[in-house]
Amino acid sequence: QKEVEQNSGPLSVPEGAIASLNCTYSDRVSQSFFWYRQYSGKSPELIMSIYSNGDKEDGRFTAQLNKASQYVSLLIRDSQPSDSATYLCAVNRRPSGSARQLTFGSGTQLTVLP
Amino acid sequence: GAVVSQHPSWVICKSGTSVKIECRSLDFQATTMFWYRQFPKQSLMLMATSNEGSKATYEQGVEKDKFLINHASLTLSTLTVTSAHPEDSSFYICSARELGTSGNIQYFGAGTRLSVL
Repeated sequence: QKEVEQNSGPLSVPEGAIASLNCTYSDRVSQSFFWYRQYSGKSPELIMSIYSNGDKEDGRFTAQLNKASQYVSLLIRDSQPSDSATYLCAVNRRPSGSARQLTFGSGTQLTVLP
Repeated sequence: GAVVSQHPSWVICKSGTSVKIECRSLDFQATTMFWYRQFPKQSLMLMATSNEGSKATYEQGVEKDKFLINHASLTLSTLTVTSAHPEDSSFYICSARELGTSGNIQYFGAGTRLSVL
């Protein structure tokens, strides 16, 4: 089982719709969770961080965390063509014998159709 | 958010030569910096964790003698790809974690695209 799993997509939604991105993680003791956006050929850009169960909203973005189910999601409301990118879920964890580090999912490619 | 500067953004080199990539935290101090590699259509893979003033910790399968990491100050880490070969061509990205912050947020540099001929 991968440490962090995402649906690879691609996911296509029409402009103005809600895009829903999902992520599950295997390390139950993880405490910090992040969503990054990566445009083609660019480095990741932090969109949201979430540490507690429940919802966290920032503009058109809402992150949801359910530690019991080991599940993190990102909702993008009123999707715009400029939201088209790969979205990376990242979980902060401490592998055995290693320092705390981010583990990334494989990413979900989102396309917002005009 | 905090700014991480990475240079060069793009480099082409001949096989067998060495390439140095710099990663600087511009407006904060970073005790820990991370180096990632990303191949096309794949996610980021952590190569090594760099702590200021100490040796880097390399992930399994990453050759420490080939990928030399130096973290001499709280604002600068360098990655040197020694004797580069075409299979080392990739997108290298650094990130930095701000000293004293909770939540372990990492800020990423813009990345360096390396092409080895």
